[in-house]
Parts: sequence; C-alpha cells; structure tokens
Amino acid sequence: AQTVTQSQPEMSVQEAETVTLSCTYDTSESDYYLFWYKQPPSRQMILVIRQEAYKQQNATENRFSVNFQKAAKSFSLKISDSQLGDAAMYFCAYGRGGATNKLIFGTGTLLAVQP
Amino acid sequence: NAGVMQNPRHLVRRRGQEARLRCSPMKGHSHVYWYRQLPEEGLKFMVYLQKENIIDESGMPKERFSAEFPKEGPSILRIQQVVRGDSAAYFCASSPPGQGYEQFFGPGTRLTVL
Repeated sequence: AQTVTQSQPEMSVQEAETVTLSCTYDTSESDYYLFWYKQPPSRQMILVIRQEAYKQQNATENRFSVNFQKAAKSFSLKISDSQLGDAAMYFCAYGRGGATNKLIFGTGTLLAVQP
Repeated sequence: NAGVMQNPRHLVRRRGQEARLRCSPMKGHSHVYWYRQLPEEGLKFMVYLQKENIIDESGMPKERFSAEFPKEGPSILRIQQVVRGDSAAYFCASSPPGQGYEQFFGPGTRLTVL
C-alpha cells in the first residue's frame, strides 16, 4: 500500500528566509502525482504545487518549488522569501489518478513564520 | 465559477442522531471525493463517486456511513447513529472527468458529536 511520511511535525522560519519541508513516500507504481497542500487556520485546503512523476523537471510556482527525487521517493517543498501568510499546516499527498483517484495524505507539518 | 460548496459548515449532533453533509461540486465536475480529517491528523480518503455511481468506497467505515451522488443535486454523506468518534472535519473535493489528479476542495464541514 502507498504511504506518505512527513517527519517534521513543526517547522519555524524567519520572515524573508527560506524553509524546506520534507516528504517521503512509498509506492511500487511508476506513474503517479505528488502534491503539496496548504491548510491555513480557516481549514480550507489549498493546492500549492503539483508534480507529475514522469516529469524530471521540478515544479515551481512563484516562491514555491519542489525537489523531486523519484529514485529516493522524496518530495520536498521549498518556500523562498517566506511571508507571514505562509504560516499554515502543509500536507504532502500522493495520487495515482486513473481508476482510483484517491489522494493519500501525510500527517502534516505546521509552519510558523516569525516576523 | 463558484468553487466547491459544502453545507453546513458546522454541524452539532447528539449521540445517536443522524448527520447529513452536502457537497456541490464545481460546475462541470462530475467526480466527487469525500475525506475525513480527525483532530491533529491528515485527511483520510473515504469514498469516490461519479454521478449515480460509487467508484471506490474503500475508506468508508462498513457501518453507519453511506454516500450518494444523484443525477440531480448535491452529493450527500450520511452518518447514522453518530458517536463521539465521528467528530471530525469532513472535506469534499471535485474534479473534472478524466482529471482525478486535479481535485479542488471545499471548505469542509466540522461535525461535533456531543
């Protein structure tokens, strides 16, 4: 069965600095998707970034980028120039698409941003 | 284009009552997913539905829980005879046909069982 592990329950970063959140996963599949979702105190789930496993190039969205290491089954999120609004819970997720579209989530990393 | 809508946002039930949670997907989305988030945990998949069909219910508890997505109207997650352990946030997501990797989430319904 597929699993997603986030080993950092909490992280802290100074405003304007860079922080990296870690995620590892386990799967025997070769074709899949990986996601980072942000959950602020409002509890709304917001998609931050998505990576297709067949793409070697790391995905980027403005200040957010990933380091996707397929062989190591690692998918870390880097947030550059951290802002106060980045403070939230961040969830890593895995999805296969196809017939079963369910997402498998990690337990989350709570990110605090210090002014 | 309105996002995924869920109602109610907050629901309080006493033990033994029924809870009905509603989800209206985004326009053009015919696939709906329900996830549950227990306190201090990540989201756990419950069920995946298309119009009038349950595609994958591998995450649904075998008893008391049911889901439907009728031809007309919202998707409903129904919990019968609620217990305190059912207290959680229930999230609905939707996706366009053939794009299950692109799930948009609603704001969630927080269920509290007294």
